[in-house]
Amino acid sequence: KAGVTQTPRYLIKTRGQQVTLSCSPISGHRSVSWYQQTPGQGLQFLFEYFSETQRNKGNFPGRFSGRQFSNSRSEMNVSTLELGDSALYLCASSLAQGSSPLHFGNGTRLTVT
Amino acid sequence: GEDVEQSLFLSVREGDSSVINCTYTDSSSTYLYWYKQEPGAGLQLLTYIFSNMDMKQDQRLTVLLNKKDKHLSLRIADTQTGDSAIYFCAEREGSYIPTFGRGTSLIVHP
Repeated sequence: KAGVTQTPRYLIKTRGQQVTLSCSPISGHRSVSWYQQTPGQGLQFLFEYFSETQRNKGNFPGRFSGRQFSNSRSEMNVSTLELGDSALYLCASSLAQGSSPLHFGNGTRLTVT
Repeated sequence: GEDVEQSLFLSVREGDSSVINCTYTDSSSTYLYWYKQEPGAGLQLLTYIFSNMDMKQDQRLTVLLNKKDKHLSLRIADTQTGDSAIYFCAEREGSYIPTFGRGTSLIVHP
């Protein structure tokens, strides 16, 4: 069974631009979560989607948004990029919302210059 | 919110056992997870335990849970250089957002 796939693996953008990251969950998984990982802040929760609905949201500004499609694939968008948005963005999928363990992709490394 | 604490570094010799510790604060029924992250990769799920269990063993990995002290440990037997990575402890209660520790960097010396 294929794992969680995130595209692209690397991105370089300039301040003020916007970016869209994509995540394909493990087949059969209906819940998708997004995390931001930085050396200083560790793993920070962004949002969780289940059945195309956002179920949980972290403490990030409105520039960060996401969505989930009917096939459970998910995208997250960051508008008006700032230098501090440089991070590894991780997507994780699980069978259902709640106690099912999260399975992570290898992430998208975003660098904002 | 819940807090998950881990020590930042652990250094061991190849062939020794490694014990990575974690404390958590949630007192309800919860799942507790261990993840491994190698450079340039995402988090790999190693094992998990429900809070009504005391211990779980999976090949070289042993998870011990002390519910009274809210202390979780991951023991890696016969540690190899390939075990060098960052290990994350996480807890999740129901549909609440999972809480992750800051990660423990395990360094294995030959």
